[in-house]
Amino acid sequence: KQEVTQIPAALSVPEGENLVLNCSFTDSAIYNLQWFRQDPGKGLTSLLLIQSSQREQTSGRLNASLDKSSGRSTLYIAASQPGDSATYLCAVPNYGGSQGNLIFGKGTKLSVKP
Amino acid sequence: DAMVIQNPRYQVTQFGKPVTLSCSQTLNHNVMYWYQQKSSQAPKLLFHYYDKDFNNEADTPDNFQSRRPNTSFCFLDIRSPGLGDAAMYLCATSRDAFNQETQYFGPGTRLLVL
Repeated sequence: KQEVTQIPAALSVPEGENLVLNCSFTDSAIYNLQWFRQDPGKGLTSLLLIQSSQREQTSGRLNASLDKSSGRSTLYIAASQPGDSATYLCAVPNYGGSQGNLIFGKGTKLSVKP
Repeated sequence: DAMVIQNPRYQVTQFGKPVTLSCSQTLNHNVMYWYQQKSSQAPKLLFHYYDKDFNNEADTPDNFQSRRPNTSFCFLDIRSPGLGDAAMYLCATSRDAFNQETQYFGPGTRLLVL
């Protein structure tokens, strides 16, 4: 059974710092991995989707990497800003299960202090 | 422009009183999903529709039902809400049901059960 873990559960950094969020998954047979952002009391916003054949994806100040063999992904945020404060979740499709069933981690709550 | 719309954003209901949550989409996607997210937990898939084909997750309680009258709309019916059903309910869509597809989420409906 696929399990997704995100450590740490919470992270606080001063504005301007570069930071890395971690995501690990137990079953390396994944189609892709997706990173989401969730603001308090809000829905999910898709940030990046990495296909299993890719090593990384970039969007602005965000860079996501994927290492299937080790069951790990990282989300790198450059030059963090207070507006980046949110919970970041990673998710993988449930291989062999229902089509489209995403298995989520519990997220890392990021706080960027001005 | 909003692509996945959920109404209402906040819903208060009484213990045992049926409630319906609404989701609509302007993306003309084939697949619509309902996830439940309890406080500080990962979103969990309840069920999804591929076109008119309903797919229920094995551990979704019978108390939860869904309807999809057309491509654009999908409803979540909770027949007899209990205190444990208080959560954020997230609707999502994808173009197709393949695991490579990106899921687009709505803003969510927060349900409070008194």
